[in-house]
Amino acid sequence: NAGVTQTPKFRVLKTGQSMTLLCAQDMNHEYMYWYRQDPGMGLRLIHYSVGEGTTAKGEVPDGYNVSRLKKQNFLLGLESAAPSQTSVYFCASSYEYTEAFFGQGTRLTVV
Amino acid sequence: DAKTTQPPSMDCAEGRAANLPCNHSTISGNEYVYWYRQIHSQGPQYIIHGLKNNETNEMASLIITEDRKSSTLILPHATLRDTAVYYCIVRSPYNNNDMRFGAGTRLTVKP
Repeated sequence: NAGVTQTPKFRVLKTGQSMTLLCAQDMNHEYMYWYRQDPGMGLRLIHYSVGEGTTAKGEVPDGYNVSRLKKQNFLLGLESAAPSQTSVYFCASSYEYTEAFFGQGTRLTVV
Repeated sequence: DAKTTQPPSMDCAEGRAANLPCNHSTISGNEYVYWYRQIHSQGPQYIIHGLKNNETNEMASLIITEDRKSSTLILPHATLRDTAVYYCIVRSPYNNNDMRFGAGTRLTVKP
């Protein structure tokens, strides 16, 4: 039982490049979330999904897109990376009223 | 914006109880209070949650005031491994079930 798995764990991008972060969960959870965490700060919600085929904006959605084509996967895309998107990205999943499970994070550096 | 307010930092002596407060004065009737913690740069870990009754599990106790406008997380016998950032959040499936974190409280357990 892997829980929540994020791929990749580390990545360095050049400004303007694009990439996709993958979040996969094997717990059949309906809800999935993407957060970013900058040094010394709390987690900020980027986008979330309440079910397959649905997505919604969070607190800081600009510069990111998401897709939930399969229930177990939640993809976070950066179309044109900027240095301001250097951060640690966390994915989480949960049922409706239960606790959320988090992945171990993806450390992204944009140079 | 996060719906909760927490002190930025607290200290606790090893072996003593750690009492972490959280203010959620705008909480609505169907919103639960959840507590998570984040050790170093790992993904946040669920601790406990409740609606209006006090709750206890193997990790901690959650005390919610009668008016539900504030709560306290209690770690009964803090250890050095409890040093972490603790987050209090409110969440409801009737409000799109998004989970927004604030800055949290950095708890330092001292020997």
